[in-house]
Amino acid sequence: KAGVTQTPRYLIKTRGQQVTLSCSPISGHRSVSWYQQTPGQGLQFLFEYFSETQRNKGNFPGRFSGRQFSNSRSEMNVSTLELGDSALYLCASSLAEDRPQYFGAGTRLSVL
Amino acid sequence: GENVEQHPSTLSVQEGDSAVIKCTYSDSASNYFPWYKQELGKGPQLIIDIRSNVGEKKDQRIAVTLNKTAKHFSLHITETQPEDSAVYFCAASIRGGSTLGRLYFGRGTQLTVWP
Repeated sequence: KAGVTQTPRYLIKTRGQQVTLSCSPISGHRSVSWYQQTPGQGLQFLFEYFSETQRNKGNFPGRFSGRQFSNSRSEMNVSTLELGDSALYLCASSLAEDRPQYFGAGTRLSVL
Repeated sequence: GENVEQHPSTLSVQEGDSAVIKCTYSDSASNYFPWYKQELGKGPQLIIDIRSNVGEKKDQRIAVTLNKTAKHFSLHITETQPEDSAVYFCAASIRGGSTLGRLYFGRGTQLTVWP
């Protein structure tokens, strides 16, 4: 069974640009969560989707948004990039909100 | 919100020795505690988890213990091997609550196992 797939693996952008990251969950998983990982702040929750609905949102500015499609695939978007947005963005999927979460390898975003 | 603290931040052990990583949490409503292992260039890998209705869980060389009264939980790795070297994260979650599946993570422990 394929794991969580995140694309692309690496991205380099400049300040002010926007970026879209993609996540394909494990087959059959309907819940997708996104986390940001940085050396300074550790792993921080961004948002959680279940059946195309955002069920939970972390404490990030409105520049961070996401969505989930009917096939459970999810995308997150960051607009007006800032240097501080450089991070590893991780996607996790689970069968449901109360089940274990399994992470992808992440997308490494560098903002110059 | 929930606050998870993890100690130590670095841990070095000799191959074959045991390693223990400890975490505390602040919200008594937390009822699910997973542990993740993250190797360089990879995402966190779930290695074991425990729910609040269980005090201990074991899977081969890995065990987790939970003390709800003291609000702390620990990861025990016995007979360590060089391939156990990685960063380990504890997390807490309130399953069935308003935060749904949200995980609150500790800051991680860099475990190094010397051959």
